[in-house]
Order: sequence, then C-alpha cells, then structure tokens
Amino acid sequence: AQSVSQHNHHVILSEAASLELGCNYSYGGTVNLFWYVQYPGQHLQLLLKYFSGDPLVKGIKGFEAEFIKSKFSFNLRKPSVQWSDTAEYFCAVIRMDSSYKLIFGSGTRLLVRP
Amino acid sequence: EAQVTQNPRYLITVTGKKLTVTCSQNMNHEYMSWYRQDPGLGLRQIYYSMNVEVTDKGDVPEGYKVSRKEKRNFPLILESPSPNQTSLYFCASTPRMNTEAFFGQGTRLTVV
Repeated sequence: AQSVSQHNHHVILSEAASLELGCNYSYGGTVNLFWYVQYPGQHLQLLLKYFSGDPLVKGIKGFEAEFIKSKFSFNLRKPSVQWSDTAEYFCAVIRMDSSYKLIFGSGTRLLVRP
Repeated sequence: EAQVTQNPRYLITVTGKKLTVTCSQNMNHEYMSWYRQDPGLGLRQIYYSMNVEVTDKGDVPEGYKVSRKEKRNFPLILESPSPNQTSLYFCASTPRMNTEAFFGQGTRLTVV
C-alpha cells in the first residue's frame, strides 16, 4: 500500500532558524505532491504543490520544497522561521494513475519560540 | 468568497444517536471528500465523490455513509455513532482529479 512518511513528528526551533521537514512516499509511479499547513484551530491550507517541471517549487510565506524523484522525497524548507509559522505541517501525495485519493503523512508539529 | 462550509463546527452526542454533518462548496467543484484527523495518524479519507450520485469508499469508511444528490453538497452521516468515531472531521472539494483540495473549517465530534 502506498504510504507517506514524515519522520519528524515534533520540531522546536527558535525564530530565524532554518527549517527542513522531511517527506518520503512509497509509490514508484508518477505522483502529484503537496504540503499543507494547519494553524492552531484552523483548517488545512495549501502551502505549495508539485505536479511537474522544475523540482524546486516555491510556495506562500517563504516556503519552498524540493522534489527528488530518486529519493522519493519532497522536503519542505524555509530559510528563516517566524513565531507565526507555529503550526502542523502535512505532506500529501496523489498517485496519477489512481482514483482521487489524497494520502497524507502523519504530520509534523512545529513550535517556533520567540 | 470561495469556500467549503461545514456544520456544525462542534458536536457532542451520545452513542447510537444518528447525526449528519453537512458540507457545502460554492466553487462548482466536481470532487468532494471527507477525512478524519486523529493525533499521530494525519488525515484519513472516509469517502469521496467524483460527481453527483457517484461515491466510493476511502480508507476508513466503516460506520459512515454519504450522499451526493447535488453537486454542491456532500453530507456525512453517522447512523449509529460510537466513541471510536470521536475525531476531527474535514470536508474537502477539488476542481479536478489529482489537483489540490480545498478544506472546510472542520467539525470536532465527540461521542460519549
């Protein structure tokens, strides 16, 4: 079965630190990839997405992610985090040859200390 | 404003008492789905719908029903809720297969 792994369940950083959250998926075919963010008490919002083309994609709020096909990875990065980035981050994958099913990782809780 | 609207936002109910969580989208999206979010498990798909009168099971459909009589609405029905259905539920819609989903605000359900 396809799975999405987020290895860091909890991350604590100080403001201005750099962030990298890992995401790996297990499916070998063509996929669409997403990162969503969930601020405390809110719904999921799209941070960025990758469908094809340049494997380095930029999203909102200074986030970016790099798709490395050989490693089945789609890691999220931000050069300098802010207190307002405190949230839970979810990686998600859709297989391009399957019916509509967005498969989520278990999430990473990020706490940014002022 | 384009949005997915769920109601209610919070619900406490007793075991066995039928309930419905409504979901409506105003973006004319064909695809809609329901997820439950549990700590450490991320979001898991319950049911999805590719169009009116077309629904299919997701990963965790047991204990749930859905219907899609109109394009904009996709209610989630719990015929006989049990405590293990206590969770945070999200409805989502997407304009085309394999593109990003737009999520509602969530419904926090507690079954006692």
